Amino acid sequence: DAKTTQPNSMESNEEEPVHLPCNHSTISGTDYIHWYRQLPSQGPEYVIHGLTSNVNNRMASLAIAEDRKSSTLILHRATLRDAAVYYCILRDSGGAQKLVFGQGTRLTINP
Amino acid sequence: GAVVSQHPSRVICKSGTSVKIECRSLDFQATTMFWYRQFPKKSLMLMATSNEGSKATYEQGVEKDKFLINHASLTLSTLTVTSAHPEDSSFYICSTCRQGWSTEAFFGQGTRLTVV
Repeated sequence: DAKTTQPNSMESNEEEPVHLPCNHSTISGTDYIHWYRQLPSQGPEYVIHGLTSNVNNRMASLAIAEDRKSSTLILHRATLRDAAVYYCILRDSGGAQKLVFGQGTRLTINP
Repeated sequence: GAVVSQHPSRVICKSGTSVKIECRSLDFQATTMFWYRQFPKKSLMLMATSNEGSKATYEQGVEKDKFLINHASLTLSTLTVTSAHPEDSSFYICSTCRQGWSTEAFFGQGTRLTVV
């Protein structure tokens, strides 16, 4: 499974943008980049995913580098409810569809 | 609303007993479901892939006789922790997705298992 590297933790202030980086230098051409987040004592929640082009949805934006070896999850205006562990995952393109989680980034939002 | 329903949300059992956790896909037929476990302050660890109508595929180091997986229908997969011991205490999470590896995954709310 392709690996991703994320900072262990990040901190930001409420109502400010947050940029969460992810490195995936061994990504293959057909791997999708997925982001999930997990609030305490809950199952993970889908945030966004993309292949090559930048993606936007109601929760966040995903900026993908041109060489696809890194990506950035952007929360445009963080709220206290965005405090969670964020996981960047490369989707197994070998047919098993499984998601293998790395350590993720623990995001703290200061009021 | 929830796409995946997991039950129970928490359970306490005595050592030596077995515990069954259910995972239901509410919105679509799920031929494949995934089971994870998570220890405090740690990431999710994939335990096994549950396949409807066939045997589950276990990740390396996961005892298949200890963690029995049954996926008898397209909407239900169960994980049974057999002869539970305190070291099996963990947060168990199931997941599924629609066909196609470009789609997003949906997760259950998790089951907190405590073995006393």
